[in-house]
This record gives sequence, structure tokens and C-alpha cells, in this order.
Amino acid sequence: GQNIDQPTEMTATEGAIVQINCTYQTSGFNGLFWYQQHAGEAPTFLSYNVLDGLEEKGRFSSFLSRSKGYSYLLLKELQMKDSASYLCAVTDSNYQLIWGAGTKLIIKP
Amino acid sequence: DTEVTQTPKHLVMGMTNKKSLKCEQHMGHRAMYWYKQKAKKPPELMFVYSYEKLSINESVPSRFSPECPNSSLLNLHLHALQPEDSALYLCASSQAEETASYEQYFGPGTRLTVT
Repeated sequence: GQNIDQPTEMTATEGAIVQINCTYQTSGFNGLFWYQQHAGEAPTFLSYNVLDGLEEKGRFSSFLSRSKGYSYLLLKELQMKDSASYLCAVTDSNYQLIWGAGTKLIIKP
Repeated sequence: DTEVTQTPKHLVMGMTNKKSLKCEQHMGHRAMYWYKQKAKKPPELMFVYSYEKLSINESVPSRFSPECPNSSLLNLHLHALQPEDSALYLCASSQAEETASYEQYFGPGTRLTVT
């Protein structure tokens, strides 16, 4: 079966750093996406990893280890507006996007 | 223009009604998607259109009927829905279905309530 695991909820402090982990077991692998979704809104694209390593984009970075079936999203200098759900999604061998359940991130002042 | 638009934003319908959800994109994307999302759950894929042809139907009940009139438009026709069909319906598009690296752009969604 196909499975993507993320923590259900995390809490962090404004200005701090938080790391959201994602592990996956899918039939094939053609890349991993991170999306951000604010409550009641549509998901928005954050990052895409297909090769091992770290991709940095401003305050957000995403890491991938294909051999371990593992990724993380790193958010630095947290702001209140970063309170949202973060969805990990993997493209499998059929180019289908398999979604994790999402991690709700709560930022406290 | 990197926008996907959806109408209506909110829809309340009875179980005997017929209604349609509409989605439009002008990014030249050749793949369009319908998702259903329940609260605190990830999006659940319903249909995929690739080059205006239905390529994936994820065993969706026939009370949901998709239509792709042209490469920019995607409709979802609703008939005889059940209360459990109440959800946020998201439309998305991407450059192509078969290429893994293209992100999906989502519309704002239609919040559907079936009474």
C-alpha cells in the first residue's frame, strides 16, 4: 500500500525554527512536494524535491533522503502567518500525487 | 496569470437539486483535477483530465459528473447528492499530468453543503 506519515500537530514560538518531518512508502517515487494550507483556503505550493539534499527558498527549506523515504520542511524565523497545515505529497510511479494527512502548525507569540 | 478560479464560493443544495461547479485557468495547463476535501483531511482526488480527456476517475459515485468543455474550463455536475458529500471541492491544474515535477495550482474551492 501507499503510506505517508506526518505528525498531526506541532506547536512553535514566533521567531523560532521548526522542522516538520514526513516519511513515505509508495509504489515508486517521482518527487516530493510540500504545500501550505491555511484554514478554509486552498493549498499553495512551497517546494519540490526529487534529488537527495536540501532545497532552500527564503525562510523555508526542504530536505529529501530517497534511501530513507524521508523528507522534512524547515521553517525559520517563524511568523504568526505561518500558522497553517503543511501537507507532504509524493508523486508515485504512475505520476499520481499521494497526500499525507497534513501537519497543523500552531505558532504562539 | 497564475490563478485558478472557481465558482461559486459557497453552495447549499438539497438532495434532489442539480447544480454545477465551475473551474477556469488561463495558464495553458493541460491537466486539470477535481479534489474533495473534508475538514482536517488531505485533498482526495476525484477526477483528472489530461488534454481534455478524462484520464482518471477514482471510483467516484455517478452523482458526480465531470466535464471538460475546453482546455481552460472544467465543470463538476452534481445531482442527487447526500449530506456526506458536504465538503470543500477544489479544482487544480498543472502543466501536464505525466510529468512529476509540475506543481498543481489550486483554486480557492467551493464550500458545498448538502441539506
